[in-house]
Amino acid sequence: QVHLVESGGGVVQPGQSLNLSCVASGLSFSSYAVHWIRQAPGKGLEWVGVISYDGYKEFYSDSVKGRFTVSRDNSKNTLFLHLSRLTTDDTAVYYCARVREAYYDSSPFEHWGQGTLVIVSS
Amino acid sequence: EVVLTQSPATLSLSPGETATLSCRASQDVKDNLAWYQQKVGQAPSLLIYDASNRATDVPVRFSGSGSGTDFTLTVSSLEPEDFAVYYCQQRSNWPLTFGGGTKLEIK
Repeated sequence: QVHLVESGGGVVQPGQSLNLSCVASGLSFSSYAVHWIRQAPGKGLEWVGVISYDGYKEFYSDSVKGRFTVSRDNSKNTLFLHLSRLTTDDTAVYYCARVREAYYDSSPFEHWGQGTLVIVSS
Repeated sequence: EVVLTQSPATLSLSPGETATLSCRASQDVKDNLAWYQQKVGQAPSLLIYDASNRATDVPVRFSGSGSGTDFTLTVSSLEPEDFAVYYCQQRSNWPLTFGGGTKLEIK
């Protein structure tokens, strides 16, 4: 059974920080890039960022660059997203997604988690 | 940034009919385009990758075509479970981008 399970969402105030996690089971993790994608309530999908399979490369959308950081621990099959200087525009469901092809950062998103909701509100 | 424009925003059809969804890119993305389906309350799922390749376990009634800037997702003989929102996504250039989505609803 393939699983990606996100956690760490919640309600935070503007300007605060939050850490999200994504744990993988039942699928290969350490050879694959993993992405974060978010979806604001009632809106479409927005790509957030990616980390390469070995953790040496990261790419981010302009809207989060400098505020969000993706990291991973392959020994624990876990992906992280550190969110800082949060604004109300960051309110969304955050999904982690593993790519289809090993070693390829921009391969399509084949496996998705169920998402974790982040609400930024004063 | 590559902008993906999906049309129509909403498509109303009946089961058994054929749906044709469009995705237009603001610049050439070659065949580096994927389609995803998202049902209410669920995460998206990969349908088509590299413009025309069906993902694992995707029914043959789903097909993708196109290259460059114009792409089409066709869903033949619509089943009740096909009514959902569909997104295209390009992986040709960073940042990766999604289209705004097409909602396929039951007429």
